[in-house]
Formats: sequence, structure tokens, C-alpha cells
Amino acid sequence: NAGVTQTPKFRVLKTGQSMTLLCAQDMNHEYMYWYRQDPGMGLRLIHYSVGEGTTAKGEVPDGYNVSRLKKQNFLLGLESAAPSQTSVYFCASKDPGMNRKLFFGSGTQLSVL
Amino acid sequence: GQQVMQIPQYQHVQEGEDFTTYCNSSTTLSNIQWYKQRPGGHPVFLIQLVKSGEVKKQKRLTFQFGEAKKNSSLHITATQTTDVGTYFCAGYTGNQFYFGTGTSLTVIP
Repeated sequence: NAGVTQTPKFRVLKTGQSMTLLCAQDMNHEYMYWYRQDPGMGLRLIHYSVGEGTTAKGEVPDGYNVSRLKKQNFLLGLESAAPSQTSVYFCASKDPGMNRKLFFGSGTQLSVL
Repeated sequence: GQQVMQIPQYQHVQEGEDFTTYCNSSTTLSNIQWYKQRPGGHPVFLIQLVKSGEVKKQKRLTFQFGEAKKNSSLHITATQTTDVGTYFCAGYTGNQFYFGTGTSLTVIP
């Protein structure tokens, strides 16, 4: 049981380049989230999805787009990367039970030069 | 907007000393969760508190949820080197989790 898998683990981009981060979960969870983690700022929500075909904006959505075409996958796109998007990105899915706990992927370290 | 503040940002303790981190929300929360992130790792769920005034224990860890459901604390008794990491609270409301800024705990052997 893999849980939540994120690819790639590391990436270096030049300003203006585009890329897509992939998140896949095998727990049949409806809710999925994309966070970015920066020193001293905790985890900030970028976008989230409450089910296949749905997406919603979080706290810091600007410069990012997402898609949830399949229930198990949640994609995060950067159309034109900026140095301010240098961060560690975490994907998570939510247990639908009473616990509501989040299962996180191992993260993607992104550097934009 | 929703804000969850956490203090302190950093804490260094000698092994065997106690440790406490505090979490405060600007609004009432449906529930609050705590996560631990080891250096270089990802956040891992520790516990969820739902009821006003709730207290839960996990071995040396004690979690409290305030009466007004706007604040919470995590207390570790007699820290060990395995407790090293960053502890985050996360308030849940409106389908979203609002994470605190985290407390980084260093335990000096």
C-alpha cells in the first residue's frame, strides 16, 4: 500500500519555465490538497479538491493551476515559474473517517533560478 | 482570513526536560489536529481533538483543546532525542486545514 506518492522529488527550473507536479493516492480518498512549505511559514494551502472533477482555491493560489481528472490523481501546474515559487511542495489526501487525518506525500523540492 | 499562530517558533531543550507548544486560532475551529515532521520528512498525523476542553494523552505527549475551541497545546514530558522535529497544529474548518507556523524542537543529549 503506497499511500500518497509525489513525483518528482527534486526539480530545478529557470524563471519562466513550466512544470507539473503529480500526486497519486491509492486509498480512494475524495479530498486532496496541495501545500507549499517555506521556512517560518508553516504549510500554506495552494489548491484543494473535494472530488473528481472539482478544484478550489486555497490561501495562496496565484501562479498555480490544478486538475483532478481522475480520483486518484491531483496535478499541480506552474505555467511560468518565478523565484518566489521556490519551496517544498506537499500533496495530501484526507481520510474520510472521523479522524479526518491527512496523509502526506514525501514532498517535492523545487528551486526556481 | 483564517489564521493559526503557533509559539514558540524554536525550542532547544536538554534531554529529559519538558516541552510545550501553543497554538491559537483567530476563529473557532471545528477540530484541531497535530502533526510531527521529522527533519527532511513529511508531516505525520499525531492526533485529533474535537470537543471543547478535550485532553488526550499518547504516552509522554499530552494534547489539549481550549474551552472556546480557539487554542490548543501539546506538552511532551521528559523529552527524548526521538522527539526531535517540527510540530504543527492544524485547525479544520470549511473543508480546509489551516496549519500553524510550527515549533521546531531540538533535543540536546
